Amino acid sequence: AQKITQTQPGMFVQEKEAVTLDCTYDTSDPSYGLFWYKQPSSGEMIFLIYQGSYDQQNATEGRYSLNFQKARKSANLVISASQLGDSAMYFCAMREGLMNRDDKIIFGKGTRLHILP
Amino acid sequence: EAGVAQSPRYKIIEKRQSVAFWCNPISGHATLYWYQQILGQGPKLLIQFQNNGVVDDSQLPKDRFSAERLKGVDSTLKIQPAKLEDSAVYLCASSLRGQGNEQYFGPGTRLTVT
Repeated sequence: AQKITQTQPGMFVQEKEAVTLDCTYDTSDPSYGLFWYKQPSSGEMIFLIYQGSYDQQNATEGRYSLNFQKARKSANLVISASQLGDSAMYFCAMREGLMNRDDKIIFGKGTRLHILP
Repeated sequence: EAGVAQSPRYKIIEKRQSVAFWCNPISGHATLYWYQQILGQGPKLLIQFQNNGVVDDSQLPKDRFSAERLKGVDSTLKIQPAKLEDSAVYLCASSLRGQGNEQYFGPGTRLTVT
């Protein structure tokens, strides 16, 4: 069974608009961490934001915020005021367990975001 | 601070040939990861090192893939013999021990097997 599901293979958004990238996850472990990474055409994976399963508040990092809905097992990424440089692949990922922060991370298949001028 | 370095950036080989990729993590990062990213998919962990010891290699096809991290710094990933389905981008990442929340990735090596 897929652990991480990203249902939007591609999205087109007008510059300066907000965009939401969907992510649902599947785990029976009460302790887990959720990540979003950006992969531009250059190929590097860039860490954007992290949410722990016990964190009380939704994570925010600048223009990025994570809409964490634990009961629905949803961890959507929200990008406010999108910019042309936001065009890239976006990956949602999960690590099961919080005790060992070096446990492996499982990635979804990604969503390709295109920002239109 | 220098990032994660990988070489080569691109490699084209014929099936049944061997190939090796090199990774130099960020200085001081004890944990090193090798991922395989097939076109249209997210990265899949192949092997994880903590210093020079293997932490997780459960998804490494050990009949053809091998990896080492001598002296706990640089790492080499080898494929021998290569198959067509090995065509992918091989990403190396590193993190400070206990801070696996943030992994720093290299630019990757794009392998094409013909």
